[in-house]
Amino acid sequence: TQLLEQSPQFLSIQEGENLTVYCNSSSVFSSLQWYRQEPGEGPVLLVTVVTGGEVKKLKRLTFQFGDARKDSSLHITAAQPGDTGLYLCAPRPVGSQGNLIFGKGTKLSVKP
Amino acid sequence: DAGITQSPRHKVTETGTPVTLRCHQTENHRYMYWYRQDPGHGLRLIHYSYGVKDTDKGEVSDGYSVSRSKTEDFLLTLESATSSQTSVYFCAISGGLAGTDTQYFGPGTRLTVL
Repeated sequence: TQLLEQSPQFLSIQEGENLTVYCNSSSVFSSLQWYRQEPGEGPVLLVTVVTGGEVKKLKRLTFQFGDARKDSSLHITAAQPGDTGLYLCAPRPVGSQGNLIFGKGTKLSVKP
Repeated sequence: DAGITQSPRHKVTETGTPVTLRCHQTENHRYMYWYRQDPGHGLRLIHYSYGVKDTDKGEVSDGYSVSRSKTEDFLLTLESATSSQTSVYFCAISGGLAGTDTQYFGPGTRLTVL
């Protein structure tokens, strides 16, 4: 059984603050995806990282895949209320049939 | 947005009754998935399909069955619903390229078993 931890579970910040959320495991992954889910909707893909050490930027969001491909982080600069949502990491285990596993998520609330 | 619909969107039923949830896609994607989402557990895979009539179990398949008789439809059946199956159910589809493919999710079905 894969042990996948996302932290923090909950985060409430003011507009304009920076934040980082983490996705950690003891297992190596072939790739990792980050999704955002808004209330009442399904998750939507933000990014896929594949190479150890890879950094990808999506406007104010910066995603990093750990060198050993066991962990990842999502950093948001100058958070806005529109960033509010549940952030899910979804790694794909090495040698798996191809299915993703999902973390429990970080619930972010950005107050104006 | 990927063309995925789920029906019904909300359902309240009683313990012991059969329930079928439908996922319909217009994208001709090969892979289809059923997940359940519960507080404290995140998204957990119930069953998935890698082609017409080709299905396999996920992490939490007990009490659920699926069928895929055509590419566009993937049905999830609870033969005899229990209160522990109260959850939000999401269908997802993907093109099937190993390693980096995106999963597109439907809007979800909120099921309450009384």
